[in-house]
Amino acid sequence: KQEVTQIPAALSVPEGENLVLNCSFTDSAIYNLQWFRQDPGKGLTSLLLIQSSQREQTSGRLNASLDKSSGRSTLYIAASQPGDSATYLCAVRTPYSSASKIIFGSGTRLSIRP
Amino acid sequence: KAGVTQTPRYLIKTRGQQVTLSCSPISGHRSVSWYQQTPGQGLQFLFEYFSETQRNKGNFPGRFSGRQFSNSRSEMNVSTLELGDSALYLCASSLDSSYNSPLHFGNGTRLTVT
Repeated sequence: KQEVTQIPAALSVPEGENLVLNCSFTDSAIYNLQWFRQDPGKGLTSLLLIQSSQREQTSGRLNASLDKSSGRSTLYIAASQPGDSATYLCAVRTPYSSASKIIFGSGTRLSIRP
Repeated sequence: KAGVTQTPRYLIKTRGQQVTLSCSPISGHRSVSWYQQTPGQGLQFLFEYFSETQRNKGNFPGRFSGRQFSNSRSEMNVSTLELGDSALYLCASSLDSSYNSPLHFGNGTRLTVT
């Protein structure tokens, strides 16, 4: 059974720092992995999607990596800003052969201090 | 381009009643999926539709059901409501049948069961 874990649950850093958020999963058989951010009281915003055949994806100050063999993904945020404060979630799509589902981690609540 | 629209935004129901939530996807998107978010269980996948057919289903009891119409709009229904069904229900749409199309979320319907 696929499980997705995000540690730490909360993180506070000063503005301008580079930071890394972690996501781990127990079964390397995945179809893809997505990173989202969620602002309080809102839905999720898709940040990056990494297909199982890819190693990383980049968008602006964000870079996500995927290592299926070790069951890990990281989201790197460069030059953090107060507007980056949000909860960041990763989600794994399980492959067709197991009646595909999307399994979310519990999220990392990020706070950027001005 | 309008985003994913979920109605109503808030809903209060009594235990034992049933409820129907609505989701209008982004124009041109043909896949819709539903999720339940609670503080205790986090974000959990309910089901997913493409071209009016349910493609995948999460691990929820039969009281939770859904459907998709020919215009891609979707509804989910919860019958015989329980206190534990209180949650934020999120809908997401994606462009096509590819699991590698990013998910776009609505802001959710906050359901409170008393």
